[in-house]
Amino acid sequence: DIVMTQTPLSSPVTLGQPASISCRSSQSLVHSDGNTYLSWLQQRPGQPPRLLIYKLSNRFSGVPDRFTGSGAGTDFTLKISRVEAEDVGVYYCMQATQFPFTFGPGTKVDIK
Amino acid sequence: EVQLVESGGGLVQRGGSLRLSCAASGFTFSTYAMNWVRQVPGKGLEWVSYIGDSGSTIYYADSVKGRFTISRDNAKNSLYLEMNSLRAEDTAVYSCARVLNGGEEAFDLWGHGTMVTVSS
Repeated sequence: DIVMTQTPLSSPVTLGQPASISCRSSQSLVHSDGNTYLSWLQQRPGQPPRLLIYKLSNRFSGVPDRFTGSGAGTDFTLKISRVEAEDVGVYYCMQATQFPFTFGPGTKVDIK
Repeated sequence: EVQLVESGGGLVQRGGSLRLSCAASGFTFSTYAMNWVRQVPGKGLEWVSYIGDSGSTIYYADSVKGRFTISRDNAKNSLYLEMNSLRAEDTAVYSCARVLNGGEEAFDLWGHGTMVTVSS
């Protein structure tokens, strides 16, 4: 199984400042079709997860452009250019390149 | 409204069974692959099972293989999870999640989940 790790596990951020979350996979997420099926989800308190980024760097419909996904192979990053109050929550990376699908442990983002 | 609504959770004894349902509305259910994902309250997400749009392709996490069965009824716009031989470690909120269309392999729509508690 592909193991997903995230750093940091907790990230207190200042409103208006950038934030960055790293995700690493135990093996390459490049699929045989050439795509990298790495996605990022946000889970606000008391809410189901919400898709932010799919296939490494594609912003999902309605997601603000302050969220950016990047990376390659086994190392990935989610960046928030300027954190807003509504960005508080837990962020998960997820790989769907290979079954079983696996999630990172989550990074909790809150405001300083 | 495009939504997924789970039901069927509850309190069950260890070794018991439950059948979860996920009702889809607002979209053409039969054209989407679906998943079950579980989450212990306050903890992370764990993928449980996947079923393709026609129901012919199915995968399970090792932790539930042989005990859980995923199925769907496209005529009823419904997804199911039959859970047998339940263990204490199966206690979690179970949510259904839709796969983004076009083979993008990401979960773009989630239900709020139904709580399953297995008492020992």
